[in-house]
Amino acid sequence: QQQVKQSPQSLIVQKGGISIINCAYENTAFDYFPWYQQFPGKGPALLIAIRPDVSEKKEGRFTISFNKSAKQFSLHIMDSQPGDSATYFCAASMLTGGGNKLTFGTGTQLKVEL
Amino acid sequence: SQTIHQWPATLVQPVGSPLSLECTVEGTSNPNLYWYRQAAGRGLQLLFYSVGIGQISSEVPQNLSASRPQDRQFILSSKKLLLSDSGFYLCAWSAPGTDTQYFGPGTRLTVL
Repeated sequence: QQQVKQSPQSLIVQKGGISIINCAYENTAFDYFPWYQQFPGKGPALLIAIRPDVSEKKEGRFTISFNKSAKQFSLHIMDSQPGDSATYFCAASMLTGGGNKLTFGTGTQLKVEL
Repeated sequence: SQTIHQWPATLVQPVGSPLSLECTVEGTSNPNLYWYRQAAGRGLQLLFYSVGIGQISSEVPQNLSASRPQDRQFILSSKKLLLSDSGFYLCAWSAPGTDTQYFGPGTRLTVL
């Protein structure tokens, strides 16, 4: 019930192309869905996040699409650049009295080639 | 602005030795604090979280423990390290009542 499944495990995209990473969750109590970007040897950095009352959120070249009925959400990176090469993690959580405990996907290693 | 620090950045320890990793947050009060472990090529696993001084919740039974001696200080410890404790340890914080977690730079631990 707490799992978040992420695919693909790795992705190679040409510069200027669209990168798409998908995640699926099981627990319908989740109400916050962030995406993190992580460069080698660094801590994850929040990229963009969405709540289930919204079907899409866009920030610059990054867009989250959210399908509540299918319990799926995805990250789209438009006009992908070599600097976007990193590992991307989706996550899900619900706010409780004990803070919000993030459940992470297993990550997608993105490589953007020239 | 808020800043989160972790030290040391890297650590190589023999099996059976003790461990102490430190995390501090600046620029905020009464943060929720979290310890995660990231195994090579895998996602992040929540180990401990704390909503206040002396309040620690454990998510995964293991060889590690956590303490919060001060409002903005979170410590991860072990009395005797195992090979399986190797990994990338990340501390994170969030403001009370909010969802967003902010991660520190991490500590790379290698147990030999």
